[in-house]
Amino acid sequence: EIVLTQSPGTLSLSPGERATLSCTASQTISSTYLAWYQQKPGQAPRLLIYGASSRATGIPDRFSGSGSGTDFTLTISRLEPEDFAVYYCQQYSISPRTFGQGTKVEIQ
Amino acid sequence: EVQLVESGGGLVQPGGSLRLSCAASGFTFSNYAMHWVRQAPGKGLEHVSAITQRGTSTFYSDSVKGRFTISRDNSKNTLYLQMGSLRADDMAVYHCARFDPVTAYEYWGQGTLVTVSS
Repeated sequence: EIVLTQSPGTLSLSPGERATLSCTASQTISSTYLAWYQQKPGQAPRLLIYGASSRATGIPDRFSGSGSGTDFTLTISRLEPEDFAVYYCQQYSISPRTFGQGTKVEIQ
Repeated sequence: EVQLVESGGGLVQPGGSLRLSCAASGFTFSNYAMHWVRQAPGKGLEHVSAITQRGTSTFYSDSVKGRFTISRDNSKNTLYLQMGSLRADDMAVYHCARFDPVTAYEYWGQGTLVTVSS
């Protein structure tokens, strides 16, 4: 099983600031199979990024993904009020399609 | 519009059984693998089961193997999860998700809550 470790656990920032979220895999993943999701309380996760760097339909360009091998990053260039949420990375290369434990982006 | 609507959750005693359903619409159901992902209260996401387009191959996480059975009825556009020998650590919101090998889980249901308690 591929273990994904996200850091930090919580990120306290203000609107307008830049957020950088990390995801480290226990073994090399093809960047084709790394996704990022956003989840707000009481809602299903929402796909933001697939293939490590491709934005899903309707996702604003302030969200960007990068990385390869075992190290991946989600960057939110300027935080909007609606961006404060929990973010998960996921590898979908092999089963189980594991998720990281999540990073909470909270308002400072 | 793609829609996934789960049902069948509820309160069940430890050791009991429950069958979840996921009704799909807005896309050709038989063209996609379908997955179940659960989230325990206040916890992260866990991939628990998957089934291929025609149901010929399935996957179960170690935590549910031997107790849960995934199935689908392509004529009814419906995915199922038969859950047995339920334990307290199975308590979670269960989401169905459409899997695409390029875009992963682009579509999710809103989830159905399973509570295991005496």
